[in-house]
Amino acid sequence: GDSVTQMEGPVTLSEEAFLTINCTYTATGYPSLFWYVQYPGEGLQLLLKATKADDKGSNKGFEATYRKETTSFHLEKGSVQVSDSAVYFCALSIASNTGKLIFGQGTTLQVKP
Amino acid sequence: EAQVTQNPRYLITVTGKKLTVTCSQNMNHEYMSWYRQDPGLGLRQIYYSMNVEVTDKGDVPEGYKVSRKEKRNFPLILESPSPNQTSLYFCASSFTGFSNQPQHFGDGTRLSIL
Repeated sequence: GDSVTQMEGPVTLSEEAFLTINCTYTATGYPSLFWYVQYPGEGLQLLLKATKADDKGSNKGFEATYRKETTSFHLEKGSVQVSDSAVYFCALSIASNTGKLIFGQGTTLQVKP
Repeated sequence: EAQVTQNPRYLITVTGKKLTVTCSQNMNHEYMSWYRQDPGLGLRQIYYSMNVEVTDKGDVPEGYKVSRKEKRNFPLILESPSPNQTSLYFCASSFTGFSNQPQHFGDGTRLSIL
């Protein structure tokens, strides 16, 4: 079945370090791909999305490219800040109209000053 | 402000005592959904609704009920809660159920069933 696998956390980085969070997926057809971020005590917020192969989603310095050949959607940021500390979820939505998001297990990022 | 509002935010209750978690959105979205979040499992869909009076099961519907009598509201009902329903619950909405639509999430409801 359709699934998303994320790198396990927690990931601990120093401020201004480079961030990569790996995400790979298994899906039939052509899914849309998303990264959501969850700050402590809050709901999930859309960080970025890509709806077709080779699309690059970007927002707030974060980027991810939809790689169909490697079924991946890795999240990157060139210089993280303490305020980026949160849980990051990779998700896919299959090409149907059920609207269901299939999530990875989440990766906790902690950025230290 | 565009938002999805859930109530209550926290609830501790006992096995078998019926409870309802309300969800309301002010964005005129057609699509609404409920998820539960458990450690190591990410979020899993419980139920969804494509529009008023149209609901369907997600991946983990057992023990839950929903209704969609109005476009803005999508309550989650636990008729006889059990401890395995202790979890963090999120309501979400989007304009439609098409796969390229991002979903807007509420802040979550943490349920503890003793």
